[in-house]
Amino acid sequence: EAGVAQSPRYKIIEKRQSVAFWCNPISGHATLYWYQQILGQGPKLLIQFQNNGVVDDSQLPKDRFSAERLKGVDSTLKIQPAKLEDSAVYLCASSSSGQRAFFGQGTRLTVV
Amino acid sequence: KQEVTQIPAALSVPEGENLVLNCSFTDSAIYNLQWFRQDPGKGLTSLLLIQSSQREQTSGRLNASLDKSSGRSTLYIAASQPGDSATYLCAVRPLYNFNKFYFGSGTKLNVKP
Repeated sequence: EAGVAQSPRYKIIEKRQSVAFWCNPISGHATLYWYQQILGQGPKLLIQFQNNGVVDDSQLPKDRFSAERLKGVDSTLKIQPAKLEDSAVYLCASSSSGQRAFFGQGTRLTVV
Repeated sequence: KQEVTQIPAALSVPEGENLVLNCSFTDSAIYNLQWFRQDPGKGLTSLLLIQSSQREQTSGRLNASLDKSSGRSTLYIAASQPGDSATYLCAVRPLYNFNKFYFGSGTKLNVKP
């Protein structure tokens, strides 16, 4: 089966610019996650969707981060405006009702 | 709130050695536990998934065990190879919300040729 697809793989932007990441989960997976991973740390959940509804966005910095999942399939995560501390790897994952989770290759964001 | 700890943070072993990575969690009410591998700059690759009713899972040279009552899981790697060098993360799903993950911060493994 096809895996979780993410794009772009790498992005370098200046602070205060905006950026968007895209994720296409595994077909049929109702749950989609966006994680932020800072070097040397475990992934931190930003937002979790169940189909196209938000289940958990308690750690999403809503003043600058937004995410949507249209039609319960693809998802985009946006940062506007970016700060230096947003430099991290952004991971998208999907799973089906508590079963094995699959991760994409991630997007490495560098804010300069 | 569930907390997941992985010790040590880094481990270096010579090639061919058998090794054990540790994962501990504070709340034993879990749905399942999943071990992942992460290569530098890459996403997470699922290695093994242990359901709460299981004691262990095996895949090739990897064996993961689960002891819910003590809040511990171990990942055993037999006959380690340089290609096993990566960061290994464990993630726990709580019984009351099995779509949620709690991650440890990982153990960075270096297998020296």
